[in-house]
Amino acid sequence: QQQVKQSPQSLIVQKGGISIINCAYENTAFDYFPWYQQFPGKGPALLIAIRPDVSEKKEGRFTISFNKSAKQFSLHIMDSQPGDSATYFCAGMGGGSNYKLTFGKGTLLTVNP
Amino acid sequence: NAGVTQTPKFRVLKTGQSMTLLCAQDMNHEYMYWYRQDPGMGLRLIHYSVGEGTTAKGEVPDGYNVSRLKKQNFLLGLESAAPSQTSVYFCASSLAGHLYNEQFFGPGTRLTVL
Repeated sequence: QQQVKQSPQSLIVQKGGISIINCAYENTAFDYFPWYQQFPGKGPALLIAIRPDVSEKKEGRFTISFNKSAKQFSLHIMDSQPGDSATYFCAGMGGGSNYKLTFGKGTLLTVNP
Repeated sequence: NAGVTQTPKFRVLKTGQSMTLLCAQDMNHEYMYWYRQDPGMGLRLIHYSVGEGTTAKGEVPDGYNVSRLKKQNFLLGLESAAPSQTSVYFCASSLAGHLYNEQFFGPGTRLTVL
């Protein structure tokens, strides 16, 4: 059972454009939704995270939008740069566990110069 | 402060061989995790530990064993490697006592089983 569904699998964006990655979750007990960024040959690293009591969180060019009723959340990357080219994973945590993350399958983002 | 380190970085095994992957963290984290990453499959949790001397199964534990004898180390063992275990393995750690824990990942171990 895939509890976090992520789309698209891959995404190509031109420099300066907006990158949008979507995730949908099934476990209504999730109460923490992080996004991890992974560069080739490296381990994932936390990029930005949101709790379901807010609908949006912004950090620089990165914004998470959260829709609790639809059980969906998305990552928006404004003014995308070639340096943003990486794999992005959404995840969910909660339901009595404050340490286990359930990850989506990832989105490979390529930003062309 | 090295963060999370993994040994080795690369390894090639033959079917049936055994090996141990070592993960070490110097952040005094209570929680540690082993994931495997396969193309199109994301990160799947193999085993995890919430403290020294404790371990628990994750999503895909079959064929693996773990030990957490010291707080800073988390070992992942493959007793009889199979080609299906060809993957990139990541170790991670996080603090306890926080409602929302950031997991810090190591650089990964690329394992090929022939």
